[in-house]
Amino acid sequence: QQQVKQSPQSLIVQKGGISIINCAYENTAFDYFPWYQQFPGKGPALLIAIRPDVSEKKEGRFTISFNKSAKQFSLHIMDSQPGDSATYFCAANPGGYQKVTFGTGTKLQVIP
Amino acid sequence: DAGVIQSPRHEVTEMGQEVTLRCKPISGHDYLFWYRQTMMRGLELLIYFNNNVPIDDSGMPEDRFSAKMPNASFSTLKIQPSEPRDSAVYFCASSFARGRNTEAFFGQGTRLTVV
Repeated sequence: QQQVKQSPQSLIVQKGGISIINCAYENTAFDYFPWYQQFPGKGPALLIAIRPDVSEKKEGRFTISFNKSAKQFSLHIMDSQPGDSATYFCAANPGGYQKVTFGTGTKLQVIP
Repeated sequence: DAGVIQSPRHEVTEMGQEVTLRCKPISGHDYLFWYRQTMMRGLELLIYFNNNVPIDDSGMPEDRFSAKMPNASFSTLKIQPSEPRDSAVYFCASSFARGRNTEAFFGQGTRLTVV
């Protein structure tokens, strides 16, 4: 059962453009929504995370937008750079629990 | 801290052989997770431990898979006998339950190829 749906599967963006990755969840018990970034040959690493009590969180060029009523959240990468080329995973876990459910991943390629 | 350490980085084995993957979590972390990553299925949680005790093994695909955590600094994932469909990258991750914050720290993974 896929509890976190992620799209698109792959994305090609020009340097300087905006990359947008979308996720949707079903379990209303989820209350922590991290995004992980994975480079080839490496394990995923936490990029940015949000809790549902806020609608947006920004860290540098990375922004999470959260819509609690729609049960959707998205990652925006502003001024995308070739160094951002990686696979991005959205994730979610219920409050008080460490078990994280991951989306299927989006492979982002930023071209010069 | 050196982070989560997994060994070996690469493993090639013949079908039917036993495979053991190893993980050393970050010191002080009380949760340990084993994930499997494939192109088709993405990141799948196989099993996780809290304070060395298995909490949820519902993701373990079949009885051929087993995991142990004999102490806070070591865990193993064993596949016996291995099959070609077990070929994947296996990740170990650890975390520390501090308040509501949850960040899983991943190792670099073990790429398993079963031929």
